[in-house]
Amino acid sequence: AQSVTQPDIHITVSEGASLELRCNYSYGATPYLFWYVQSPGQGLQLLLKYFSGDTLVQGIKGFEAEFKRSQSSFNLRKPSVHWSDAAEYFCAVGARGNYQLIWGAGTKLIIKP
Amino acid sequence: GAGVSQSPRYKVTKRGQDVALRCDPISGHVSLYWYRQALGQGPEFLTYFNYEAQQDKSGLPNDRFSAERPEGSISTLTIQRTEQRDSAMYRCASSLGTSGIRPDTQYFGPGTRLTVL
Repeated sequence: AQSVTQPDIHITVSEGASLELRCNYSYGATPYLFWYVQSPGQGLQLLLKYFSGDTLVQGIKGFEAEFKRSQSSFNLRKPSVHWSDAAEYFCAVGARGNYQLIWGAGTKLIIKP
Repeated sequence: GAGVSQSPRYKVTKRGQDVALRCDPISGHVSLYWYRQALGQGPEFLTYFNYEAQQDKSGLPNDRFSAERPEGSISTLTIQRTEQRDSAMYRCASSLGTSGIRPDTQYFGPGTRLTVL
């Protein structure tokens, strides 16, 4: 069965520091992978997605993610975080032709001034 | 254009009451999804519509939960005889329409926070 694991419930980084949020998935075929961000009082917003091709995907707000098939990972990165990046980040996997997304439990990002 | 809207944003109800949660998708979006999100968890799929047809309701927890989308636009999720365990954030999403090959990008509304006392 498909599953998504986000091992870190909370991550605290200093403003200006680099960020990496981990996501591991379990899926038998080629996965379709997503990162969403949820800010307080807001809906989930798509940051980026991977369907095929280049394994390094660029997204909005300066985020990128790298698909590593050998590690079943799709980690989200940002070289320098801003206080406005404080939010909860969700990784999700979708199947071919399948409308259902399977979600991780999320990682809450806290920014230290 | 406007995004996905949901109403009410907050709903407090007493155990045993029925509630109706509304979702207004992005204009022109064929597909509509309902999710439930417990605190500290990711969204959990409830049901999916393609136009007005409910294609999948496998995620609805029991028969107290139902959803409709009669004209292929606005959708209502109804919970009858609410119980405390129904307390959660209920999220709606819409998408252009699945290609059948790749999952659509889903656009989410702000959610309805339901509290059952």
